[in-house]
Amino acid sequence: AQRVTQPEKLLSVFKGAPVELKCNYSYSGSPELFWYVQYSRQRLQLLLRHISRESIKGFTADLNKGETSFHLKKPFAQEEDSAMYYCALSSNDYKLSFGAGTTVTVRA
Amino acid sequence: ETGVTQSPTHLIKTRGQQVTLRCSSQSGHNTVSWYQQALGQGPQFIFQYYREEENGRGNFPPRFSGLQFPNYSSELNVNALELDDSALYLCASSSRTSGSRNEQFFGPGTRLTVL
Repeated sequence: AQRVTQPEKLLSVFKGAPVELKCNYSYSGSPELFWYVQYSRQRLQLLLRHISRESIKGFTADLNKGETSFHLKKPFAQEEDSAMYYCALSSNDYKLSFGAGTTVTVRA
Repeated sequence: ETGVTQSPTHLIKTRGQQVTLRCSSQSGHNTVSWYQQALGQGPQFIFQYYREEENGRGNFPPRFSGLQFPNYSSELNVNALELDDSALYLCASSSRTSGSRNEQFFGPGTRLTVL
């Protein structure tokens, strides 16, 4: 069975401060990991995926297979980063398993 | 390029009724996945359709069924509605033929309320 855990329901940071969203997973094979984001009144959209190893909107995420983690980080949070963030895992059968999500609020 | 669309936007049903939700996939995509998102939870995988056949199913009872049409659009049908079926239903399309096989593009969702 595959499972994704996001331990923080809510995360509040000040503008310019670093932000880190935690994600842990359990899966016996080789998964693909993703971060999806949902801004207010918008649809769910892909933020980044581990295989591309790129930075999107200043966010990065590194897959740590030893710790089975895929934490999302940004060194300097901006107000426009306020949103709901979901970590997701894809196994070989193409389905996505999502965590419960973390609501990020960036305060001025 | 047209994104994923879903209809209706929202609807209200009573227990025991049946409902059909519709999804049009993004242009060029041949795979459609359906998810149920209860309040305060992440999306839960219901099933996926590829080449008009069900290709993988989550932990949902048989009263959740679906179809995919030759133009890759899809329907989700739920029979004998229960109160716990109240949720946001998301459709996502993707392409098996592209390099990003698992990148799924989501629609805006249909909000179902069961009274």
